[in-house]
Amino acid sequence: NAGVTQTPKFRVLKTGQSMTLLCAQDMNHEYMYWYRQDPGMGLRLIHYSVGEGTTAKGEVPDGYNVSRLKKQNFLLGLESAAPSQTSVYFCASSYRLGSNNEQFFGPGTRLTVL
Amino acid sequence: GEDVEQSLFLSVREGDSSVINCTYTDSSSTYLYWYKQEPGAGLQLLTYIFSNMDMKQDQRLTVLLNKKDKHLSLRIADTQTGDSAIYFCAESGSNYQLIWGAGTKLIIKP
Repeated sequence: NAGVTQTPKFRVLKTGQSMTLLCAQDMNHEYMYWYRQDPGMGLRLIHYSVGEGTTAKGEVPDGYNVSRLKKQNFLLGLESAAPSQTSVYFCASSYRLGSNNEQFFGPGTRLTVL
Repeated sequence: GEDVEQSLFLSVREGDSSVINCTYTDSSSTYLYWYKQEPGAGLQLLTYIFSNMDMKQDQRLTVLLNKKDKHLSLRIADTQTGDSAIYFCAESGSNYQLIWGAGTKLIIKP
């Protein structure tokens, strides 16, 4: 099992450009999450999904869109990047029936917006 | 509202015990977690405790839960340089979400 994978690992964008971050999991998890991590602020939830075809807003959804067309994939889109979106982005997945709800994390994508 | 608080930094000498503290607000949380993040990596579950337990021990790790005070602690015995990391406290919320603390950076002094 590869667990949770994220692509790309690094990216530099100019203000106004768009991009999509891809997250994939091979654990048959129902729930998937996108977080951003900024120094001293811990993890903030951007969007999450409770199953294929569903998405929901988290704590900081503005400027981001997501899609969950397949159970194993969760895409995070930035339509018009802004410097305030410079951050490290983590994808996570969770929920197997009877589990302790542990979230499994990908290695992160470091995004810089100039 | 729901909130999880922890100190941002902890400095200990190699070989000493480290105690990382956390307070939470949601008394209905089922699980409480400690995650570890090493430099440049994602988070990994270190340990967790079910809300009906007071203590859980796993090798060098001891988790203490005080439900009355909504206080959770992680003790690392015989702290080593490999324990240098950021430690996140989290509590289970609704819809399988986790409520996260800001993370405590553990610094090991030789």
